[in-house]
Amino acid sequence: ETGVTQSPTHLIKTRGQQVTLRCSSQSGHNTVSWYQQALGQGPQFIFQYYREEENGRGNFPPRFSGLQFPNYSSELNVNALELDDSALYLCASRSGISDTQYFGPGTRLTVL
Amino acid sequence: GENVEQHPSTLSVQEGDSAVIKCTYSDSASNYFPWYKQELGKRTQLIIDIRSNVGEKKDQRIAVTLNKTAKHFSLHITETQPEDSAVYFCAASFNKFYFGSGTKLNVKP
Repeated sequence: ETGVTQSPTHLIKTRGQQVTLRCSSQSGHNTVSWYQQALGQGPQFIFQYYREEENGRGNFPPRFSGLQFPNYSSELNVNALELDDSALYLCASRSGISDTQYFGPGTRLTVL
Repeated sequence: GENVEQHPSTLSVQEGDSAVIKCTYSDSASNYFPWYKQELGKRTQLIIDIRSNVGEKKDQRIAVTLNKTAKHFSLHITETQPEDSAVYFCAASFNKFYFGSGTKLNVKP
C-alpha cells in the first residue's frame, strides 16, 4: 500500500505567478483535502474533493482552485500569488466512509 | 464556520510527568475530534481520536476526553518521554476538518 505523496517538495515563486501542487492519494482513498499551514500556525482547510467533485471549501479566495482526477489524485492551483501565500501546503486523503486522514509530507511554497 | 481554540501554545514538562492540552470548538455539529502530532521532517500523524458519542478514549499513555455540552476536549499524555516532544494539533470535524493553532510540547530529560 502506497502512502500519500506530494510534489514538489519545495517551490519558490514570485508575486503574481501561478503555481500547481500535486497530491497522490493513498490507495483506496477517494477523498482528498488540502490545507495551508503558515509558520507557527495550525493547518487551515482550503477545500476537499470527493470522487472528483469539490464538496467543501474553507475561507479562501477563488484564486485557490483544485481538481481531482479519476484515479483520485489531486491538484491545488493558486493564481496571482501573494507574499502571504508562503506556507506549507498539506494534502490528506481518506476513504469516504472513514474519518481517518493520512497526510502527505507537504509542499513548502515560498513567494518572493 | 467552525472555530477551534487550543491551549497552551507551549508546554514544557519533565520526563515522566503528565501533559494536558485543551481545545474548545464552536460548532455543535462537529462529531469527530482527532489529535495529530507533527515533528520536523515527518508526516503529520494521527495519534488518537474520539467521536461525539464517546466521552473518553485511551491508548496506552495517551487519552482523550470530550465534553459535548461544554464543547471542549483534551489530550492527556502520561509518563512523558523525550520522544513525545513535538507540536500537537487538535481538530474538530463534521466532514471538514478545522484545526487548533497547535501546542509545542517539550519534554525535558
